[in-house]
Parts: sequence; structure tokens; C-alpha cells
Amino acid sequence: DVVMTQSPLSLPVTLGQPASISCRSSQSLVHSDGNTYLSWLQQRPGQSPRRLIYRVSNRESGVPDRFSGSGSGTDFTLKISRVEAEDVGVYYCMQATHWPPWTFGQGTKVEIK
Amino acid sequence: EVQLVESGGGLVQPGESLRLSCAGSGFSFSSFWMTWVRQAPGKGLEWVANIKQDGSEKYYMDSVKGRFTISRDNAKNSLYLQMNSLRAEDTAVYYCARGRGVDLWGQGTLVTVSS
Repeated sequence: DVVMTQSPLSLPVTLGQPASISCRSSQSLVHSDGNTYLSWLQQRPGQSPRRLIYRVSNRESGVPDRFSGSGSGTDFTLKISRVEAEDVGVYYCMQATHWPPWTFGQGTKVEIK
Repeated sequence: EVQLVESGGGLVQPGESLRLSCAGSGFSFSSFWMTWVRQAPGKGLEWVANIKQDGSEKYYMDSVKGRFTISRDNAKNSLYLQMNSLRAEDTAVYYCARGRGVDLWGQGTLVTVSS
């Protein structure tokens, strides 16, 4: 199974400041079709998860451009350029390259200082 | 509106059964793989099962194999999860999600297994 490891697990940030979350996989997430199936999900308090980013760097429709994804192989990053209050919640990376099982990171809790 | 709506959760005793449903609307349900993901109280996300568009392929996490069955009825735009021999560790909010890439999520339904 592919193990997804996120860091940090807790991220206090100041409003308007940038934030960065790392996700590392135990093996390369490059699929035989050439795509890398790494997504980022956001779960606001009391809400269902929502996919923000797919295939490493593609934003979902309606996702603010302050969110960006990058990386390759086994190392991936989600960046928020300027944190807003509505960004509070838990962020998960998820891989859909090597399955089953589909696997998630442990989650990173973003809170305002 | 494109949405997924789960139902069927509740409180059951260990060893009992429960059937979850997920109704899709606003999109071509039969064109997508469908997924169940769960989240134990205060914990992270855990993939449970997937089913292909025509039901010909199904995958399960190890701890539910032989106890849970995923199925779908494309004529009713519905996904199901039959859960038998429930254990305390199955207590979680169960979400259905669209596709193997989970690009759309329902609101979840809470399953509590307790005596």
C-alpha cells in the first residue's frame, strides 16, 4: 500500500500570510499513463471534504487562485498564498495512482494564530 | 444541482447490519465510478470501497472484506453499502463520493456501533 505522509500536522498561520503543507508518498505516484493522481482535499469544520486540487496542480472550478499545488514523483506541496479566515480546516492529500487501496494523508489542521 | 445525498445511518449493536444509500443527481451517475469513504470521530479519512460504472469491478479495504458489500442501481442513480457483522471500530461518518478521484462528496451519514 502507498503510505501518504503529511507535514506539519498542525499549522497555525497569521491572516494574510502564506502557508505550505507537504505530502510525501512511499512510492512514486506517476501512473503508467503518464499522469500523477495526487489530489488535495479541504474539510472545513463541520463540513464534508471538498476536492481543491487534482492531478498535482489543477484547481477545481471555484477554488480561489490563492491555492496552488506543485510537486512530482513522491514529493508534493499545497500552498496558500495569503491565508483567509475561511481557509481554516483540515487538508488532506490523497493518491489514486496505485490502487487498491486509495490512500489519504493523516491531515493537516490549519488554524488562525 | 449536482449533488450526492447519503441516508441509512444510525445506531446499531455489534454484530448487526445496516444498509447505506447514496442518491446522485445533476450528473450522469452511470458514467462514474463511485466510492465510499469513512471518517471515525475526530480522525482522518479512510477509503472503504469502490465500484465501477457497470458494477463489474469492486474493491474493498481489508478490514471490511467479507462483511461489507458495495452495489449500485444506475436506473435509480443510487449507490449502496450493505454492512454486516458491524463492529465498534466501524463507527464513523460514511461519505459517498464520485469517481476514483472523489471530486464530489455527499454530506455523510453517521453510523454508530455500540451496545
